[in-house]
Amino acid sequence: QSVVTQPPSASGTPGQRVTISCSGSSSNIGANTVNWYQQLPGTAPKLLINSNNQRPSGVPDRFSGSKSGTSASLAISGLQSEDEADYYCAAWDGSLKGPVFGGGTKLTVL
Amino acid sequence: EVQLVESGGGLVKPGGSLRLSCAASRFTLSNTWMSWVRQAPGKGLEWVGLIKSNIDGGTTDYSPPVRGRFSISRDDSKNTMYLQMNSLKIDDTGVYYCATGILEPTPIWGQGTTVTVS
Repeated sequence: QSVVTQPPSASGTPGQRVTISCSGSSSNIGANTVNWYQQLPGTAPKLLINSNNQRPSGVPDRFSGSKSGTSASLAISGLQSEDEADYYCAAWDGSLKGPVFGGGTKLTVL
Repeated sequence: EVQLVESGGGLVKPGGSLRLSCAASRFTLSNTWMSWVRQAPGKGLEWVGLIKSNIDGGTTDYSPPVRGRFSISRDDSKNTMYLQMNSLKIDDTGVYYCATGILEPTPIWGQGTTVTVS
């Protein structure tokens, strides 16, 4: 069980806005920036958001991130069927001395 | 193309050992912090351990579940990182990824190699 908590599932209909939360502590999210990853079945994770709210080149502006205190959020607007995937937050953990991942959220597009 | 390629996965009995490799192309592995991350079947991502860049001392850190059983090393002449896994348990089953820059703007992940302990 991860020390960073995400809801196990989320869902929405095409065009909707969905938010995925990521709750940590002062040793991880509270002290460091957060990256968000998208993982499609059978593939390696793909970076969606880095440094809390920065979109790498090629990531649609429908994806946005934010952070406040020991929590972070990923928002997906204009939901599309291809957004159906698993989403993970990640941050450095000073106690672990390594990166910690959230437990992951499976997004279903209804 | 900058890439990481893992190899060495397979089927091993509980208590056995296995060594995974992670070969880097078009960048120097020793100049960056490298991690191993695993994913059990149907489960989330779990950081396993890391090796720091040479300039940062090249030391290693491990997650509690694998500390004392797994060790990470690097062969700079081959631009390759290794994960030596001993005393394997059924719970170590999963896909093992090597990666760099997990928390940076331009991470690089390998395609993963599958380890089955049974």
